Amino acid sequence: LAKTTQPISMDSYEGQEVNITCSHNNIATNDYITWYQQFPSQGPRFIIQGYKTKVTNEVASLFIPADRKSSTLSLPRVSLSDTAVYYCLVGDTLSGSARQLTFGSGTQLTVLP
Amino acid sequence: GAVVSQHPSRVICKSGTSVKIECRSLDFQATTMFWYRQFPKQSLMLMATSNEGSKATYEQGVEKDKFLINHASLTLSTLTVTSAHPEDSSFYICSARAVAGVGGELFFGEGSRLTVL
Repeated sequence: LAKTTQPISMDSYEGQEVNITCSHNNIATNDYITWYQQFPSQGPRFIIQGYKTKVTNEVASLFIPADRKSSTLSLPRVSLSDTAVYYCLVGDTLSGSARQLTFGSGTQLTVLP
Repeated sequence: GAVVSQHPSRVICKSGTSVKIECRSLDFQATTMFWYRQFPKQSLMLMATSNEGSKATYEQGVEKDKFLINHASLTLSTLTVTSAHPEDSSFYICSARAVAGVGGELFFGEGSRLTVL
């Protein structure tokens, strides 16, 4: 199972770009990298998913180096409402078991005014 | 995107009673659903994998007789916490993987907060 390591917490100010890096040294060939956002007392919400290089959607970008042993979630111009826990998951989301998509400790992002 | 709905969102019960939580995939069929438990300030812990028409697969340390899982249809899985005790108080979250057409991604429900008095 691909274990992930993320910073426990990060602080930022409104309007800044936030980059959260996740390490996953033993990522497998079929594994995708998926990031989820979770607010208190809510289920995780899908943010972005990628396999290699760069992926961008309307809310975030995901940067994955060639060796795929890490990934960086980039949130442009954060607002107070982006305060949440962000989880990096690595696994075969298309056919793998949920056990493969083990939630790590996540990163508590706090956006300050 | 695909929607997974849980009910109830909050439940308070007395110790010793049983509580049922429903997880529904609203706009897609899910052969597999997953149940997680999350304690305050902690990450999600996978409890069991629920397969439509067959027995659930429980993670190590999760009592199958205490946490009964039924996946009777492609859109509904239920988790019943039997003889609940205060230590079972937690946030229970389900997720579902689409059979086809939605990319095979995992979609999560809103969660159900269980408080056992």
